[in-house]
Amino acid sequence: QKEVEQNSGPLSVPEGAIASLNCTYSDRVSQSFFWYRQYSGKSPELIMSIYSNGDKEDGRFTAQLNKASQYVSLLIRDSQPSDSATYLCAVRASGTYKYIFGTGTRLKVLA
Amino acid sequence: DVKVTQSSRYLVKRTGEKVFLECVQDMDHENMFWYRQDPGLGLRLIYFSYDVKMKEKGDIPEGYSVSREKKERFSLILESASTNQTSMYLCASSPDTPYEQYFGPGTRLTVT
Repeated sequence: QKEVEQNSGPLSVPEGAIASLNCTYSDRVSQSFFWYRQYSGKSPELIMSIYSNGDKEDGRFTAQLNKASQYVSLLIRDSQPSDSATYLCAVRASGTYKYIFGTGTRLKVLA
Repeated sequence: DVKVTQSSRYLVKRTGEKVFLECVQDMDHENMFWYRQDPGLGLRLIYFSYDVKMKEKGDIPEGYSVSREKKERFSLILESASTNQTSMYLCASSPDTPYEQYFGPGTRLTVT
């Protein structure tokens, strides 16, 4: 069974700090990786996608991918209370239409 | 902007009723998906479609069926609703490339 693992949290960080969210996956042939933000009672919203090893930056968000270690992370710089949400990691394996989601990490940014 | 819409935000149905959940996307995406989301279990794939009239079972297809007669519309059908189908139902769509998946607002279904 292909899996995506995330620490459920909550991860608490003070306002203005860097929040670091981590995700590991079991399927070595995975090619596409995604981070979603989900506010309570709402649907997931795509934040970042990453396909190659290394870092990808978009505003305050940086996604990091290490395929050798089967590890993907999301850094949120200058965290704001409005960033408080559950962050879902998703993986799409090569040659498939299916996405595997982690159960999410709950982030709390304290004002 | 990609827009995925779902027919209802909240729905209450009785056990044994036939339930239709509709999803429409306006970005000409090839692929569409139905998930359910339950606390502690995360997102679980029910069915997906990679082309008009093409469908494949996901991880939990039992008790559900789907229909995709037009590219923009993907319907989820609960043939005979049961209380264990009470859940948040999420529709998503994606192009073939890039592979980003976009979600609709969700339908919170309660079966009593």
